[in-house]
Amino acid sequence: GESVGLHLPTLSVQEGDNSIINCAYSNSASDYFIWYKQESGKGPQFIIDIRSNMDKRQGQRVTVLLNKTVKHLSLQIAATQPGDSAVYFCAERRALGTSYGKLTFGQGTILTVHP
Amino acid sequence: SAVISQKPSRDICQRGTSLTIQCQVDSQVTMMFWYRQQPGQSLTLIATANQGSEATYESGFVIDKFPISRPNLTFSTLTVSNMSPEDSSIYLCSVALGTANQPQHFGDGTRLSIL
Repeated sequence: GESVGLHLPTLSVQEGDNSIINCAYSNSASDYFIWYKQESGKGPQFIIDIRSNMDKRQGQRVTVLLNKTVKHLSLQIAATQPGDSAVYFCAERRALGTSYGKLTFGQGTILTVHP
Repeated sequence: SAVISQKPSRDICQRGTSLTIQCQVDSQVTMMFWYRQQPGQSLTLIATANQGSEATYESGFVIDKFPISRPNLTFSTLTVSNMSPEDSSIYLCSVALGTANQPQHFGDGTRLSIL
């Protein structure tokens, strides 16, 4: 299940289950979205991205879904493994009419995978 | 993706002192950014480091507190000036590579504690 902790929401799953991490974004003009994984002691690591003209994109064991109507982004991880345990952040780029709009990060979700 | 090295990886500093953090990239990059991640929280953009000109600061961040240099396309520094315990955070450098709609990539950050 998912609950709100002191700082970040948490999600606990069993190894082998599928995980779904959700993110609500705020700006309807955002045109590019990224999911990052941050392990303890490291910087955010790029997982997958999606542009606003798409509603789904798949990678290796991961799928990102974008619902622009309700400004919602989700990351699905198939067959979750203990190595997937980390904090996951979504980020949105607010279109500024240039290629390099600034990223705004969501609050993050702590994923814990139990063997 | 680029290899991003930050120095120091961590430091413990005295109140009132200043620390300069270095970010070195192994290839020329279009954009470099500096973020702050307070304990248990998400990332907040401090500024965009512009090559050959003054950095562009986000609301709530000022040059006197966080002077930034970017002398070339592979290197930037962030100084945290006149530090107080509230500056205890992880400071992260990120880069955007040369093409549009590419994700930012992050270094592993500098973990800063102020006593």
